[in-house]
Amino acid sequence: EDQVTQSPEALRLQEGESSSLNCSYTVSGLRGLFWYRQDPGKGPEFLFTLYSAGEEKEKERLKATLTKKESFLHITAPKPEDSATYLCAVQESGGGADGLTFGKGTHLIIQP
Amino acid sequence: NAGVTQTPKFRILKIGQSMTLQCTQDMNHNYMYWYRQDPGMGLKLIYYSVGAGITDKGEVPNGYNVSRSTTEDFPLRLELAAPSQTSVYFCASTSQETQYFGPGTRLLVL
Repeated sequence: EDQVTQSPEALRLQEGESSSLNCSYTVSGLRGLFWYRQDPGKGPEFLFTLYSAGEEKEKERLKATLTKKESFLHITAPKPEDSATYLCAVQESGGGADGLTFGKGTHLIIQP
Repeated sequence: NAGVTQTPKFRILKIGQSMTLQCTQDMNHNYMYWYRQDPGMGLKLIYYSVGAGITDKGEVPNGYNVSRSTTEDFPLRLELAAPSQTSVYFCASTSQETQYFGPGTRLLVL
């Protein structure tokens, strides 16, 4: 059973058409939830970290929110340069140095 | 700072060959990680290290080995390459609980 599930798998929007990406997670204790952007042929680029339910972070046209079971990445009035794959990852609490558990990503295309 | 750098960018191996994927970071981070990314799949953790001389297995360690002799370097070794190891490999290091990734090494095993 996947611990991190992202939906939709792919999303095509018109420029300026706002939408949201979903990341649902099942971990016993959440240490942090991370959003990354990945462009083709590149490594993931860090966007946000969220630690507790109710927390929100914003950067330009992106806003990430967190509840006890899921996170949303809201994209407001997107531009073609926002086209990328958006990855969600979680880190479980426990004090260790374990890595992140990633979802499969949402491939976002913004058409001009 | 160059951040996290990886070499090579791309490599083709024959089945049974060995190679080392290099990863270097210049940020003096203690924690470093290796992930692999297969098409349509999330990144999977191979190995990680919490400091020089200390390494541990992640979710998918079979067929790989690592070492950490310095804070800066965390090489990943493939001893007997198999087609199942065809993937894109990413190295990452952690600052204040955020992992920063290198550009990746694309490996094709034929």
